[in-house]
Amino acid sequence: TQLLEQSPQFLSIQEGENLTVYCNSSSVFSSLQWYRQEPGEGPVLLVTVVTGGEVKKLKRLTFQFGDARKDSSLHITAAQTGDTGLYLCAGGVISSNYQLIWGAGTKLIIKP
Amino acid sequence: DTGVSQDPRHKITKRGQNVTFRCDPISEHNRLYWYRQTLGQGPEFLTYFQNEAQLEKSRLLSDRFSAERPKGSFSTLEIQRTEQGDSAMYLCASSLAQHRGTNEKLFFGSGTQLSVL
Repeated sequence: TQLLEQSPQFLSIQEGENLTVYCNSSSVFSSLQWYRQEPGEGPVLLVTVVTGGEVKKLKRLTFQFGDARKDSSLHITAAQTGDTGLYLCAGGVISSNYQLIWGAGTKLIIKP
Repeated sequence: DTGVSQDPRHKITKRGQNVTFRCDPISEHNRLYWYRQTLGQGPEFLTYFQNEAQLEKSRLLSDRFSAERPKGSFSTLEIQRTEQGDSAMYLCASSLAQHRGTNEKLFFGSGTQLSVL
């Protein structure tokens, strides 16, 4: 069974601080997607990484795919209250039954 | 608004009743997914369509669940004889892709929150 573990499960910090959340697995993924979900809404795709070691930046958000394509991290610089939400990672597996494997998410609260 | 639309947003029902949810995907998208999400968890795959064909169904999905996409556009998800354990957010997502692959981008609707009393 392929699992994606996200840590921490919950994080509450002050506006302006930096943070990193993690997505780890013992399995290799062909791609890794990060989504943000707000209460009562569906997830919104932030980024897809596909190459081991790949780094992508989206304004203050930096995403990295591990060299072995088993893990990923999301770093937020100078967090803002608008960053509050549930951050989900989802790994893609190339197989005859390709589907996304989802983590349980990191609930992030940025306090003003 | 050309995003994925789901109806209703909320549904409260009594145990044993049948419920049906509707999803209208982004118009040019050929793939449509149904997911279920409970509090504190990520989305759990239920089933997926390419055009009108249901290509995959989760082995965890009870026979009480059925989904259709009759004309390759909107889709319905029906749950028969609902149980309290069915209480969850039901999410629909669509994508435009020729082959299921690493760069497939899913666009989610706002979901239907089901509460079974």
